[in-house]
Amino acid sequence: QKEVEQNSGPLSVPEGAIASLNCTYSDRGSQSFFWYRQYSGKSPELIMSIYSNGDKEDGRFTAQLNKASQYVSLLIRDSQPSDSATYLCAVPTGGFKTIFGAGTRLFVKA
Amino acid sequence: NAGVTQTPKFQVLKTGQSMTLQCAQDMNHNSMYWYRQDPGMGLRLIYYSASEGTTDKGEVPNGYNVSRLNKREFSLRLESAAPSQTSVYFCASLVQATSSYNSPLHFGNGTRLTVT
Repeated sequence: QKEVEQNSGPLSVPEGAIASLNCTYSDRGSQSFFWYRQYSGKSPELIMSIYSNGDKEDGRFTAQLNKASQYVSLLIRDSQPSDSATYLCAVPTGGFKTIFGAGTRLFVKA
Repeated sequence: NAGVTQTPKFQVLKTGQSMTLQCAQDMNHNSMYWYRQDPGMGLRLIYYSASEGTTDKGEVPNGYNVSRLNKREFSLRLESAAPSQTSVYFCASLVQATSSYNSPLHFGNGTRLTVT
């Protein structure tokens, strides 16, 4: 079992819809969780961090964390074509090792 | 503020050649990381340095060596390049990592390496 797993994708949604991206992790001791966005040919950029169970909202983005289920998700409301990118879930394990999922490619159709 | 700077941006090597990828950060971050990214495989951790003077293996360390030269610089060396090391390499840093809290990673722009 990979330490961090994401929906294999690709995920295609129409413009204005909600995109839902999911991630599960194996280390029960993990305390910090991150979502990065990566455009083709570019480096990853942080879009959300979450540290406590529940929801965290930032603009059109909402991160949801459930440590009991070892599950973290990202919702993108009112999806725009500019949201088309690969979304990477990242979970530090054992303190210093940040492990990434394989990423989910999102396509937003205009 | 440059952030994380990687050199070179592109490199082509022949099988068996060696090279060093350079990374420097000017954010006074404690921890530094090297990742490789292959199509469909996300980012895989090669080596990391939790603090100046320490280095540890990540998920895919074979064929690589690293040096944490000082707090700012963390280099990745390929001693004898192989076609399987063709990839995009990212250096990253973060200010704080503990067992209960990690700050986010800041990434460099990447090095695209081709080994023929």
